[in-house]
Amino acid sequence: AQSVTQLGSHVSVSEGALVLLRCNYSSSVPPYLFWYVQYPNQGLQLLLKYTSAATLVKGINGFEAEFKKSETSFHLTKPSAHMSDAAEYFCAVSDRGTGGFKTIFGAGTRLFVKA
Amino acid sequence: DTGVSQDPRHKITKRGQNVTFRCDPISEHNRLYWYRQTLGQGPEFLTYFQNEAQLEKSRLLSDRFSAERPKGSFSTLEIQRTEQGDSAMYLCAHGLAGVRSGELFFGEGSRLTVL
Repeated sequence: AQSVTQLGSHVSVSEGALVLLRCNYSSSVPPYLFWYVQYPNQGLQLLLKYTSAATLVKGINGFEAEFKKSETSFHLTKPSAHMSDAAEYFCAVSDRGTGGFKTIFGAGTRLFVKA
Repeated sequence: DTGVSQDPRHKITKRGQNVTFRCDPISEHNRLYWYRQTLGQGPEFLTYFQNEAQLEKSRLLSDRFSAERPKGSFSTLEIQRTEQGDSAMYLCAHGLAGVRSGELFFGEGSRLTVL
């Protein structure tokens, strides 16, 4: 069964600092991996996805993530945090073998950005 | 706009009452998902449909919960004899079947409060 572990329920950075949100996955088959963002009182929005092409995936708003099979990791980074990045971020894994029919989410990491 | 409309956005009910949520995806995406999200947690998979067929139900979905998707378009999620533990955000998402897809497009959710 697929699973996702997000390390750190809360991360706080200063504006302009590097953002690093950690995600480790477990999957019996090569996975699809995703990062979603949720702003207050809004639905989840896809930031980026990994589907077996390039291991470094670029997403919206300057975010990127690197798929590392040897470490079973898919950490999310952004070189310079902006106040508008404050939100909850969810890592997710979807079962490639069945066409991605079920997506499992991590517990989320809330990002705080200090002025 | 993710193309997913959910109604109602907020529902307050008394314990023991029945509630129904509706999800309207406005595209031809043939997979429709229901998730439940409680405070501080990631979305938990409840069930999903491919067209009108309900293909999987989570063990979280007790016999008080029922979901339908008549004609493969909109979907409803009904909770009978609500309990306080049912208080959560109920999220609907749609996705396109196929090997290359896997991302989900979420609505803004229906928040249920059971008093």
